[in-house]
Amino acid sequence: DAKTTQPTSMDCAEGRAANLPCNHSTISGNEYVYWYRQIHSQGPQYIIHGLKNNETNEMASLIITEDRKSSTLILPHATLRDTAVYYCIVKGGGSQGNLIFGKGTKLSVKP
Amino acid sequence: DAGVIQSPRHEVTEMGQEVTLRCKPISGHNSLFWYRQTMMRGLELLIYFNNNVPIDDSGMPEDRFSAKMPNASFSTLKIQPSEPRDSAVYFCASSSQDITYTFGSGTRLTVV
Repeated sequence: DAKTTQPTSMDCAEGRAANLPCNHSTISGNEYVYWYRQIHSQGPQYIIHGLKNNETNEMASLIITEDRKSSTLILPHATLRDTAVYYCIVKGGGSQGNLIFGKGTKLSVKP
Repeated sequence: DAGVIQSPRHEVTEMGQEVTLRCKPISGHNSLFWYRQTMMRGLELLIYFNNNVPIDDSGMPEDRFSAKMPNASFSTLKIQPSEPRDSAVYFCASSSQDITYTFGSGTRLTVV
């Protein structure tokens, strides 16, 4: 059963911020929001994850709403190499639950 | 760190033949996962090992599929006999404490 809802596709201009939304209205209190991406023909790559606070790393920022029912992944300065399918996944902490992939959002970064 | 290593990268086999896919997880990771990706079904979790023990194999499609993890540094996924509908990209991933998963480059299997 899908726990997240994402747009099928999005476009972004190179150099601009890419904001990828995700709805997870049925998230439980102990479940984290994970983001992975898959560049064509490669294995999925971990980007970031969070529980309820906003998170930032060298790749992206994750903004989680106060009610935790939705989140946004932000790539601050998108490049052509960021073109990929982005997956938002809800998963319990540690060994609670496995990483189950939905259909994701196909992000196309255009020059 | 060489990451998760899968072999072979590509495999073409005839229907009915046995196929063995191999995976070397990252040293120190205690969990290993096998996924299958097709256009129709996306990324599917097939089986999950923790400390070399199969924990959840509910995603294994049928008895023709089997997976083993004889030690912490090696796992195999075997299909016997193979069928054309098994054609897919098979990914192996490993994890420490199931926090973040690191995926290999995958094995593209074509059964003709």
